[in-house]
Amino acid sequence: DAGVIQSPRHEVTEMGQEVTLRCKPISGHNSLFWYRQTMMRGLELLIYFNNNVPIDDSGMPEDRFSAKMPNASFSTLKIQPSEPRDSAVYFCASSLEQGQGLYFGPGTRLTVL
Amino acid sequence: AQSVTQPDIHITVSEGASLELRCNYSYGATPYLFWYVQSPGQGLQLLLKYFSGDTLVQGIKGFEAEFKRSQSSFNLRKPSVHWSDAAEYFCAVGPFGNEKLTFGTGTRLTIIP
Repeated sequence: DAGVIQSPRHEVTEMGQEVTLRCKPISGHNSLFWYRQTMMRGLELLIYFNNNVPIDDSGMPEDRFSAKMPNASFSTLKIQPSEPRDSAVYFCASSLEQGQGLYFGPGTRLTVL
Repeated sequence: AQSVTQPDIHITVSEGASLELRCNYSYGATPYLFWYVQSPGQGLQLLLKYFSGDTLVQGIKGFEAEFKRSQSSFNLRKPSVHWSDAAEYFCAVGPFGNEKLTFGTGTRLTIIP
């Protein structure tokens, strides 16, 4: 299996620009998670989906953040407009069955100038 | 609320020596516990998990962890570390059946020759 795929791996943008991060979960996995990792706050869960439906988005920091999962094989996390404090590594993870743990992608390192 | 404490930010161990990384959790019910490893520039990889049964669980790469309910601990151990074990290690806790995990702040492991 190819594992969780994320793109781009690195993104550098200017404040105010729209940023879209993409994730392809492992085939057959029915849950998908977006995490953000920073030195100051560690790993934070932003949102997770089950069977393409958003279950909990309480971790989404602001209305500038939005996430979609139009089908079982694709999800996006969008930031509009981006700000320097959004600079972080964003991870996507998927899981097959409850209790089996999460499988993480390699992450997208976002830098907002 | 669930929480995880990893009291050691950074640990240095000689190659071939034994290792123990500490993890303490706070959770109102039976916890579902994980250890993940993150190599530089990579995503998180699941080392092992525990929900019930034998309190000593074996994982990949020769790691094991012991659940001690009385101490609210889930420490990770390895009898003999290899230079390739240098990485950051994260403990996580969550409810079974829901992958909404809370991660600790991580312990960075350095291996010296």
